[in-house]
Amino acid sequence: EIVLTQSPGTLSLSPGDGATLSCRASQTVTSSYLAWYQQKPGQAPRLLIYAASSRATGIPDRFSGSGSGTDFTLTISRLEPEDFAVYYCQHYGSSLYTFGQGTKLEIK
Amino acid sequence: QVQLVESGGGLVKPGGSLRLSCAASGFTFSDYYMTWIRQAPGKGLEWVSYISGSGGAVYLDSVKGRFTISRDNGQNSLYLQMNSLRAEDTAVYYCARRGSGRHFDSWGQGTLVTVSS
Repeated sequence: EIVLTQSPGTLSLSPGDGATLSCRASQTVTSSYLAWYQQKPGQAPRLLIYAASSRATGIPDRFSGSGSGTDFTLTISRLEPEDFAVYYCQHYGSSLYTFGQGTKLEIK
Repeated sequence: QVQLVESGGGLVKPGGSLRLSCAASGFTFSDYYMTWIRQAPGKGLEWVSYISGSGGAVYLDSVKGRFTISRDNGQNSLYLQMNSLRAEDTAVYYCARRGSGRHFDSWGQGTLVTVSS
């Protein structure tokens, strides 16, 4: 079973800063099946990035994804106030889905 | 536009049963795999089960034998029958549509299931 470990657990930044969130897999995973989600309090998650680097419909271009193998990154350039939320990575493999434990992006 | 609306959550005693429903609209329901994902209070996301358009299903190990996912393509509806519920099943349960890349591209608002005596 693949385990996804996200770091840091909490990231404290200011609007206008850039953010780098990491997702590390316990073994090599298929980039095509690596996704990122944003979740705000009291809301359902929203798909941001799929296939490691493709932005979902309507997602601003300040969000970008990269990586391969075991290391994946979600980058948010020029943080907007609405970007402060929890972010999860997710992978599909061997007919099962796994999520990372999440990174909370908070206002400094 | 795609819309997913869950219902059926509530308070149930340990060992009890509950049936969740998800009403889908805005897309050809039968063309998509559908999924249930849950989130315990203050915790992260956990995939529970998915079902193909033709009805093939896969489950998280901890719910196998207790939960059954099903769908009615004529009614554009997804279901989750939950039996032998445990305290650790307490969570918000989300219905989600699976995109072609094995990601979840649309989510419902969730329904809360609380298992407590």
